[in-house]
Amino acid sequence: QKEVEQDPGPLSVPEGAIVSLNCTYSNSAFQYFMWYRQYSRKGPELLMYTYSSGNKEDGRFTAQVDKSSKYISLFIRDSQPSDSATYLCAMSGDAGGTSYGKLTFGQGTILTVHP
Amino acid sequence: KAGVTQTPRYLIKTRGQQVTLSCSPISGHRSVSWYQQTPGQGLQFLFEYFSETQRNKGNFPGRFSGRQFSNSRSEMNVSTLELGDSALYLCASSITQGYNEQFFGPGTRLTVL
Repeated sequence: QKEVEQDPGPLSVPEGAIVSLNCTYSNSAFQYFMWYRQYSRKGPELLMYTYSSGNKEDGRFTAQVDKSSKYISLFIRDSQPSDSATYLCAMSGDAGGTSYGKLTFGQGTILTVHP
Repeated sequence: KAGVTQTPRYLIKTRGQQVTLSCSPISGHRSVSWYQQTPGQGLQFLFEYFSETQRNKGNFPGRFSGRQFSNSRSEMNVSTLELGDSALYLCASSITQGYNEQFFGPGTRLTVL
């Protein structure tokens, strides 16, 4: 079983829809949670960075972390065709030992927003 | 502020050869992590360097190695290339050791024939 599970999709939605992307994890040591967006043939771009449980909002993006359920989500409001990309969740534990500089990624969800 | 840069962007090698990839972190960033991305395994952590020292290593064979220079630039080396080493190799930088907010470069696409 992978430490981080993410539904690979693909997910196809109409422009303007609300998109929900999710990851579950098994390692209770994870404290930092990130969402990256990756366009084809590009490197991942950091969208959201959160620590521990709670919500964080940035423009059309909202990240939620529920550590009790080991479940994180990314919501995209008013989705645009330019949001079409692969979305990756990533996690890390506190600094120290095997956590130094290591992010553990989900497999990524392919999202297409059609006009 | 310039982002993470990686060179070369594309490489084609044959089995048994070795390859060196280069990464320049964001100015002021001192920690560099390397990842391998493949369709089957996704993004997997290779190693992390801070202050010219490898601080953490992923589950990869010893053919994969790296180093960091005093200006924080980093290189990774893969010796005795295998077909399965074909992948996108990504470098990420962060401000300091253990700081998990990582920013990625565009990657080096390695093809092993």
